[in-house]
Amino acid sequence: AQSVTQLDSQVPVFEEAPVELRCNYSSSVSVYLFWYVQYPNQGLQLLLKYLSGSTLVESINGFEAEFNKSQTSFHLRKPSVHISDTAEYFCAVSPNQAGTALIFGKGTTLSVSS
Amino acid sequence: GAVVSQHPSRVICKSGTSVKIECRSLDFQATTMFWYRQFPKQSLMLMATSNEGSKATYEQGVEKDKFLINHASLTLSTLTVTSAHPEDSSFYICSAIQSNYGYTFGSGTRLTVV
Repeated sequence: AQSVTQLDSQVPVFEEAPVELRCNYSSSVSVYLFWYVQYPNQGLQLLLKYLSGSTLVESINGFEAEFNKSQTSFHLRKPSVHISDTAEYFCAVSPNQAGTALIFGKGTTLSVSS
Repeated sequence: GAVVSQHPSRVICKSGTSVKIECRSLDFQATTMFWYRQFPKQSLMLMATSNEGSKATYEQGVEKDKFLINHASLTLSTLTVTSAHPEDSSFYICSAIQSNYGYTFGSGTRLTVV
């Protein structure tokens, strides 16, 4: 079975500061990794995903995450955050098997203030 | 891009009545869909996996008779909460898989049972 641990439930930062949201996973099989963002009362939007290839993946809005197999981590980073980045962020894992559901971490609330 | 439409976005019902939530893949065929439940400030908990033309697979602890799932076509899955009670109040989100591990989520349904 797979599991995901998001180490920080809340991360408060000031605007334009860098941020890292931590995610560790546990799995006995190879996995695919995802980060999703959720705004209040909305569904989830994909930020980025790692399936294979380069271990550093980037999103179009400045976030990046690096897959580290030895540390079983997939931390999300952004060098300079904006107020609009305030949201709930979920790390998720899927085993390398077609048709299986994503398993989510408990989420991290990113609060960006001016 | 892939779009999943979920309706209604909000519903209030009386205790003891049933509520149906629809999840449609608008521009792709979804052999497999997933239903999640999300409590306030918590993560998404997988309820069931819905496969077109067959019975849904429920996660442990999810009552099959209370949460009826039907996946009659490649673009539509429905979740019916039967004999709803206040403890069923929650945010329900569906998800569908497109090719290459493209998990797309609906915008969610806020169910309030009074």
